Amino acid sequence: RKEVEQDPGPFNVPEGATVAFNCTYSNSASQSFFWYRQDCRKEPKLLMSVYSSGNEDGRFTAQLNRASQYISLLIRDSKLSDSATYLCVVITTSGTYKYIFGTGTRLKVLA
Amino acid sequence: DTGVSQDPRHKITKRGQNVTFRCDPISEHNRLYWYRQTLGQGPEFLTYFQNEAQLEKSRLLSDRFSAERPKGSFSTLEIQRTEQGDSAMYLCASSLRDSDEKLFFGSGTQLSVL
Repeated sequence: RKEVEQDPGPFNVPEGATVAFNCTYSNSASQSFFWYRQDCRKEPKLLMSVYSSGNEDGRFTAQLNRASQYISLLIRDSKLSDSATYLCVVITTSGTYKYIFGTGTRLKVLA
Repeated sequence: DTGVSQDPRHKITKRGQNVTFRCDPISEHNRLYWYRQTLGQGPEFLTYFQNEAQLEKSRLLSDRFSAERPKGSFSTLEIQRTEQGDSAMYLCASSLRDSDEKLFFGSGTQLSVL
């Protein structure tokens, strides 16, 4: 089983739609969580951190459920420019300090 | 430019040759990571430095791969006797210990082994 799992998609949604991605992690000792965005042939860029209480940044909302070991990302009012791959990232600190990436979920927003 | 810098951006080599990539992290960042990414996959952890100490190396990394960070600043990743399966994007990232833990990536080195 992979340490961090995501549905690879693709998710094809119309402009203006709301879309949600989930990500599950296997290590219960994981302590920090992020969502990164990656455009085609570019490096990953930080979208937002994920806090235990949930957090929002404009149209983006991230949630963490430690009991069920998953994090989620909600995008409201999708724009064409949101089309990208969204990577879930978990930090494990079992001995060292390692960022583990999911395989990513592809989103395509259609006009 | 004060971001993470990688060189070269692209490398084409023949099977069996050695290649070396360089990464310059953000100057005050003490943690440096190397990842490998192939099409349709997320970045796969290769190795990690805190200052000049290499603290972890992935079990997936064969002994043909070696990384250094001699003065705790820039890092190099060398692949000896390259194989076609080594073709991938090699990404370097850095972060600052005891901060908000955000990881910043360079633009990567795209390796093609013919």
